[in-house]
Amino acid sequence: GESVGLHLPTLSVQEGDNSIINCAYSNSASDYFIWYKQESGKGPQFIIDIRSNMDKRQGQRVTVLLNKTVKHLSLQIAATQPGDSAVYFCAENIGGGADGLTFGKGTHLIIQP
Amino acid sequence: EAGVAQSPRYKIIEKRQSVAFWCNPISGHATLYWYQQILGQGPKLLIQFQNNGVVDDSQLPKDRFSAERLKGVDSTLKIQPAKLEDSAVYLCASSRTGFNQPQHFGDGTRLSIL
Repeated sequence: GESVGLHLPTLSVQEGDNSIINCAYSNSASDYFIWYKQESGKGPQFIIDIRSNMDKRQGQRVTVLLNKTVKHLSLQIAATQPGDSAVYFCAENIGGGADGLTFGKGTHLIIQP
Repeated sequence: EAGVAQSPRYKIIEKRQSVAFWCNPISGHATLYWYQQILGQGPKLLIQFQNNGVVDDSQLPKDRFSAERLKGVDSTLKIQPAKLEDSAVYLCASSRTGFNQPQHFGDGTRLSIL
């Protein structure tokens, strides 16, 4: 089965609220995680990454949290805007020399006006 | 900097025909990846190149798929013969050399098999 998965296929939030998108992974050897945003008809767009020696990383309006104890990753988006509507994927790399990523199925974030 | 370029954007072929996709990575990125994204799913790695050498092709269906990166820059992915289940978006990504470098994706080629 997949080693990376997401809890919810769709998440609906009000514009201006904070969004939290969750991801569970099963491979404890994973050492690098990335969040991507994918809009319709486009390729995945890099949002933020985190290495396994960290538990939190912040970017512009986004924060990624990593809990290695329960193998859980989350993406927090502050003050959600209409342009944040997209499918969000978490992806992991299990190292070992090859850097190909394993993706989950994605969460569709819908912004309500 | 310019992003990853892919062509064509769309391709429609009949089953058992052949098709090729082209990718030009971000300038200076030595590592190049091809992913397959079936509708409603996340991308799945097909092959990874480091310069012109293959690093990982364990998930590439080698009986019908082939890829090359002869001069270590542009890459082509070919399917011959195509099957109905090959209908998907084929994404190319590139990254700088080194472990745990973020991968940057192109907008992909959407392939439909009739």
